Amino acid sequence: EDKVVQSPLSLVVHEGDTVTLNCSYEVTNFRSLLWYKQEKKAPTFLFMLTSSGIEKKSGRLSSILDKKELFSILNITATQTGDSAIYLCAVERSGGTSYGKLTFGQGTILTVHP
Amino acid sequence: DAGVTQSPTHLIKTRGQHVTLRCSPISGHKSVSWYQQVLGQGPQFIFQYYEKEERGRGNFPDRFSARQFPNYSSELNVNALLLGDSALYLCASSFRIPNEKLFFGSGTQLSVL
Repeated sequence: EDKVVQSPLSLVVHEGDTVTLNCSYEVTNFRSLLWYKQEKKAPTFLFMLTSSGIEKKSGRLSSILDKKELFSILNITATQTGDSAIYLCAVERSGGTSYGKLTFGQGTILTVHP
Repeated sequence: DAGVTQSPTHLIKTRGQHVTLRCSPISGHKSVSWYQQVLGQGPQFIFQYYEKEERGRGNFPDRFSARQFPNYSSELNVNALLLGDSALYLCASSFRIPNEKLFFGSGTQLSVL
């Protein structure tokens, strides 16, 4: 059974702080790890990391994947109130009867105070 | 371009009833996936369809079924509703599988009383 564990479960910071969100995983036939931001209902895509792309950056957000230690980190620098959301980590396996299935972690609730 | 659209946005049912949720993928996307998100947890995979064929199924009872139509839209059906079926049901689409990335709709919030 694939497994994704995120930590911390919740985090409260002030604007301007830097945060690090953690995601560890166990998956058979790993294909990719994805990060999503969920503000209200619809999760929105942030990053996809695979064996060929283990570090991604977009503005104040960046993510790395350590395939040896089976974890990923999402960093957010100079946080803003608009960063307040649930951050979801998910892994995708390759092939098998669960082809295309994403296994999500519980999520990290980030609250950024002004 | 329209994103993934789901209907209805909210739904209240009683135990034992049947429900049908609908999803229209992004234009050009041929794969639709369904996820269930219980409050406080991450989404859990229910089904994936690609080119009208079921390509993946999660650990859900047979009360859950789905199909994909020729226009790539999809329906999720749940029979004999239980209180534990109360959740946000998310639909996601992608151009192909394996997924490059999934685009999610805003979901249908189902409450079973």
